[in-house]
Amino acid sequence: AQSVTQLGSHVSVSEGALVLLRCNYSSSVPPYLFWYVQYPNQGLQLLLKYTSAATLVKGINGFEAEFKKSETSFHLTKPSAHMSDAAEYFCAVSPNSGGYQKVTFGIGTKLQVIP
Amino acid sequence: DSGVTQTPKHLITATGQRVTLRCSPRSGDLSVYWYQQSLDQGLQFLIQYYNGEERAKGNILERFSAQQFPDLHSELNLSSLELGDSALYFCASSVTGYGDTEAFFGQGTRLTVV
Repeated sequence: AQSVTQLGSHVSVSEGALVLLRCNYSSSVPPYLFWYVQYPNQGLQLLLKYTSAATLVKGINGFEAEFKKSETSFHLTKPSAHMSDAAEYFCAVSPNSGGYQKVTFGIGTKLQVIP
Repeated sequence: DSGVTQTPKHLITATGQRVTLRCSPRSGDLSVYWYQQSLDQGLQFLIQYYNGEERAKGNILERFSAQQFPDLHSELNLSSLELGDSALYFCASSVTGYGDTEAFFGQGTRLTVV
């Protein structure tokens, strides 16, 4: 069984401030982990993914995430928020056990960037 | 543009009716997924197909069915619709369908049941 918990359904940051979106996972086998972003009226777009290579993963638009096995976390960060980062962010997990696997998404975190 | 096309973009229908949502995957992608996104449930995985065959099943109601055709497009059929079926339905596609593969999402079909 697998699950994802995103802490904070809404996060507000000032433009230029650090963005930190939290994600904790539960998986009975080593996981693959993903962050997706959804802009208004659009589908989800992959920001970055962890597939058991480097624990610090760099993605698009200046985002990165660090896989911490001891904390079962995969938090998403960006050093300096831009207005264009306002969107909904989804953490997702699938089991690293080969073959066709179901991806489980978190409930999402809406990021508001205040000018 | 993700390359995944979903039609229609919006659909309004009455309770008890049946609708069909259509998805054309990215060129070259063999796997198609369907998701339901609602305010209270978040993004729920419904079903996955790979090259015409069902590969994984999630929280899909018995009133719902899907298939992937030889040309790889997919359809999601929703029948005996209830008010609670109102949601955004996403189709996504990927090359292999394996768990480490990036999925590319369409813009969704917004279904409103009245």
